[in-house]
Amino acid sequence: GEDVEQSLFLSVREGDSSVINCTYTDSSSTYLYWYKQEPGAGLQLLTYIFSNMDMKQDQRLTVLLNKKDKHLSLRIADTQTGDSAIYFCAESMDSSYKLIFGSGTRLLVRP
Amino acid sequence: DVKVTQSSRYLVKRTGEKVFLECVQDMDHENMFWYRQDPGLGLRLIYFSYDVKMKEKGDIPEGYSVSREKKERFSLILESASTNQTSMYLCASRFASSYEQYFGPGTRLTVT
Repeated sequence: GEDVEQSLFLSVREGDSSVINCTYTDSSSTYLYWYKQEPGAGLQLLTYIFSNMDMKQDQRLTVLLNKKDKHLSLRIADTQTGDSAIYFCAESMDSSYKLIFGSGTRLLVRP
Repeated sequence: DVKVTQSSRYLVKRTGEKVFLECVQDMDHENMFWYRQDPGLGLRLIYFSYDVKMKEKGDIPEGYSVSREKKERFSLILESASTNQTSMYLCASRFASSYEQYFGPGTRLTVT
């Protein structure tokens, strides 16, 4: 069945890079997403990647996709305290409604 | 700016009460969603509405119902609240042709 897994917690120093990892099981996934949830707020779409891409860069964010290993990562360069949040990986098979979310990775940025 | 609002940020209800959670979006989105978020489980889809008066069960619909009488409003109903429905409830909406879902701030419901 469909499953998306993430580690629960990551702590980094301000200015370092953060790498948040995600694995998924459904090889027919065509869209993969990263959402950010700040304390007390809903989820905000950070970035997404289509399954025919290996990498996508957007300012400080780099998404890497390894389809063979079904592994997705989000790298945040020069991590700031404002990046402290929960990051959710999600997949969908097409642009259909159904998103399958991971359990979320709580990123803590230490000054 | 897309705005998805939820009627309450915090709600405390007693076991057996009927509970209404309201969600309103102002972008004329066709699709609307209700999720619950629990620690370590991520978000799980309760119900989905692809248009007015249309609804579809998600992964965990038991104990819940929904209503979509107007395009901008999607209500989640707990017919008889139970303690295992204590959770954070998130509403989302999107255009049918889009991949991006816009989320509300959430309602933290406690059932005692």
